[in-house]
Amino acid sequence: SQQGEEDPQALSIQEGENATMNCSYKTSINNLQWYRQNSGRGLVHLILIRSNEREKHSGRLRVTLDTSKKSSSLLITASRAADTASYFCATDGYGQNFVFGPGTRLSVLP
Amino acid sequence: GAGVSQSPSNKVTEKGKDVELRCDPISGHTALYWYRQRLGQGLEFLIYFQGNSAPDKSGLPSDRFSAERTGESVSTLTIQRTQQEDSAVYLCASSAQGAYEQYFGPGTRLTVT
Repeated sequence: SQQGEEDPQALSIQEGENATMNCSYKTSINNLQWYRQNSGRGLVHLILIRSNEREKHSGRLRVTLDTSKKSSSLLITASRAADTASYFCATDGYGQNFVFGPGTRLSVLP
Repeated sequence: GAGVSQSPSNKVTEKGKDVELRCDPISGHTALYWYRQRLGQGLEFLIYFQGNSAPDKSGLPSDRFSAERTGESVSTLTIQRTQQEDSAVYLCASSAQGAYEQYFGPGTRLTVT
């Protein structure tokens, strides 16, 4: 299985603080993606990092990938209440069957 | 442009009944995915379509579950003889040819009583 596993399962921080979530996976991947889900509905793609990349930025998001440790981290800087959501990592299997982890529930308190 | 749409948004059905869930992907997207998400849990892959063929059906949990897709457009997920454990949100996503980013619909919340 190439399941991604996020940790922590839940995280509460104050507005303005940084939030870091981690994802570990089991086998070699081509790409790793992070998605956000609000209110248990549809997911929104945040960022994709390829296996030959080590770091990627998008606005307040910073993603790192360590293929030797089979892990990735998502950093959200200067968090806002609107960042409250569940965050999932998704790793690609063979073909285009992506496997999503159970997610990290982030709560940003005003 | 229009995103992925799903219908119905909510469905309550009695145990033993059949249900049909519909997904309209983004126009031109060749790949279509179905996932199941139980309350408070992650996404469980069900099936993937490339065009109207399904190269990966490995996630369908039982033979009560089936899915079809017409060309590169609408897909339906059918659950026969529903059970209470089928209660979940069913999410559909589509992606463009050669792209990895998936665009998700809002989901159908299925409740089996």
